[in-house]
Amino acid sequence: GAGVSQSPSNKVTEKGKDVELRCDPISGHTALYWYRQSLGQGLEFLIYFQGNSAPDKSGLPSDRFSAERTGGSVSTLTIQRTQQEDSAVYLCASSPHGGKNTGELFFGEGSRLTVL
Amino acid sequence: GQQLNQSPQSMFIQEGEDVSMNCTSSSIFNTWLWYKQDPGEGPVLLIALYKAGELTSNGRLTAQFGITRKDSFLNISASIPSDVGIYFCAGHQRGSQGNLIFGKGTKLSVKP
Repeated sequence: GAGVSQSPSNKVTEKGKDVELRCDPISGHTALYWYRQSLGQGLEFLIYFQGNSAPDKSGLPSDRFSAERTGGSVSTLTIQRTQQEDSAVYLCASSPHGGKNTGELFFGEGSRLTVL
Repeated sequence: GQQLNQSPQSMFIQEGEDVSMNCTSSSIFNTWLWYKQDPGEGPVLLIALYKAGELTSNGRLTAQFGITRKDSFLNISASIPSDVGIYFCAGHQRGSQGNLIFGKGTKLSVKP
């Protein structure tokens, strides 16, 4: 489809295991974001990629979280040694804007992570 | 970190009623946006505001960018059942790269 695609849509894992979440942004969008949404909460910024610039990692909650974006397109968010508090919906968004980003984001449906 | 205070946290609507929600911040923002999230979906942009004092409408939705640049409101007129969902305000500061700050949301439900 033409929208932001995320996979898996649901992931259940055991505490201590590593997980990878994938995001395929809208074709041609230069900016890509990861947000985390815990139950009943707003969206917590995690990381932002813009073109070939160094990513803004200021929102990553710990060094167990990392993300990469290959070829300026697909992104993978990796959570190592998962903890129960990592359970949340992880939302990816992309934006067509370059340097003059105005905050108009197009979100995927999210990956719901449950850590047992 | 920066926070947006969004209120009310939740509200019940009866079809035909007008609805109002707002967002305030201690920081100045250059862009205010309002998103809606349906269950199991990602948020979808409703309205974007770029200038202090700007009043923008999108169908039954009206939003304003506060003159101080520290607040915004969203009004929904003549609500219908499909208006239920969670509404998020979000602010963007020029020079903050892409980081959007989101409010905690206003959950709209239908009155029992």
